[in-house]
Order: sequence, then structure tokens, then C-alpha cells
Amino acid sequence: EVVLTQSPGTLSLSPGERATLSCRASQGVTDNYLAWYRQKPGQAPRLLIFGASTRATGIPDRFSGSGSGTDFALTISRLEPEDFAVYYCHHYATSPWTFGQGTKVEI
Amino acid sequence: VQLVQSGAAVKRPGSSIKVSCKASGDSFGTYTLGWVRQAPGQGLEWVGRFIPFIGVADYAQQFQGRVTLTADTATTTAYMEMSSLRSDDTAVYYCVRTGSGGSLFWGQGTLVTVSS
Repeated sequence: EVVLTQSPGTLSLSPGERATLSCRASQGVTDNYLAWYRQKPGQAPRLLIFGASTRATGIPDRFSGSGSGTDFALTISRLEPEDFAVYYCHHYATSPWTFGQGTKVEI
Repeated sequence: VQLVQSGAAVKRPGSSIKVSCKASGDSFGTYTLGWVRQAPGQGLEWVGRFIPFIGVADYAQQFQGRVTLTADTATTTAYMEMSSLRSDDTAVYYCVRTGSGGSLFWGQGTLVTVSS
């Protein structure tokens, strides 16, 4: 099983600042099948990035994903008010799919 | 690709539920259909996945024997059936389909409440 560890647990930033979130896998992620989601309270997760670095449809270019193998990152270049939320990484190359525990980005 | 799930349900402890996920778009049988749940205030948890073109399912260990995943390729609909429901099965259940190039598509979610 690929265990995903996200850091930091909480990130305290201001609108307009840059955010960098980390997701480390316990073993290499095949084909870089690693996704990122943003989840606001009371809403479903919104897919931001799949395949480690491809933005999903409709996702603004302030979101970028990078990394390969075991180390991945999500960067938000300039935080907008709607970006203050919880972010999850997700491995889906092999069974079992796994999720990180989440990083909360707060003001 | 769009995934439309069945509506919210309230079930008694010990009963069963079958959640559906109707897919539109391309190549239903080609890609994997996964199921993920999120209990109130908790993170995301994988339930299992079904691969229609080989008719094989695999499950998270904690759901083995209690969950059955199936799909009907004629109607492009996937199903998740869970038995022996408990209060801690109260969650939003999502179907998730993979696509070409590692893409992913999520259903809108189905709230299942288990309460006496």
C-alpha cells in the first residue's frame, strides 16, 4: 500500500501569497498517477490536478502540480479567498487507492 | 464524462444499500470505476474499484465481504452495494472514474445516513 503523507498539517497565509503543499509517498507512484483536490466546508472535493501535473478542466493557472516518484507538490501562486480550504493528495495507480490526511490552508 | 449518482438515503442499522452511478461520455467499459467515501468531518477513504472490461473488483480490506461492486455496461451504470450497515457507515459516497492520460471524474456524491 502506498502511504501518502502531507505536510504541513496547517498552512497560515494571507490572500495574494504563495502556497506550497507537499505530498510524500512511501513508495514510487506508478505513472505519476497522483491527484490533488481542494475541499471547502460542506462541498465535494474539487479535482485540481491529475497525473501529478495536469490541471483539470476549468482550473485556473495559479494552481500547478509538480514532482514524480515519491515527492509531489501543489503550488498556488497567489491565494484567492476561495483557496482557503483543505487540500488532499490521492494515489490511484494501483490498488488500494490512498489519500493523504489533508493540509488545511487558513488565513 | 459525467457521473450522476442516486439520491440520499436513510437506512436502519443492519440493513443494506445499493448506490448507483450512471456514466455518460466515452468508453465506459475501458476504465476503472472506484468508490470513495467521506464520513462527517473526516478525510477521504477508498472503498474499492471495479474494472468493467475484465469484470473484476477489488476492495479495501476493511470492506471485504460487506461491499459488492458491479457494473452494467449496457446501461453504463456502476453499483456499490453495502450490507450490515452500521452507524459509522454514515458518509457521503462518491463514484470516481479514471480516464485517458490518468484523468479522473467524480460523481456528485450520495449521502447515506445509518440511524435507528
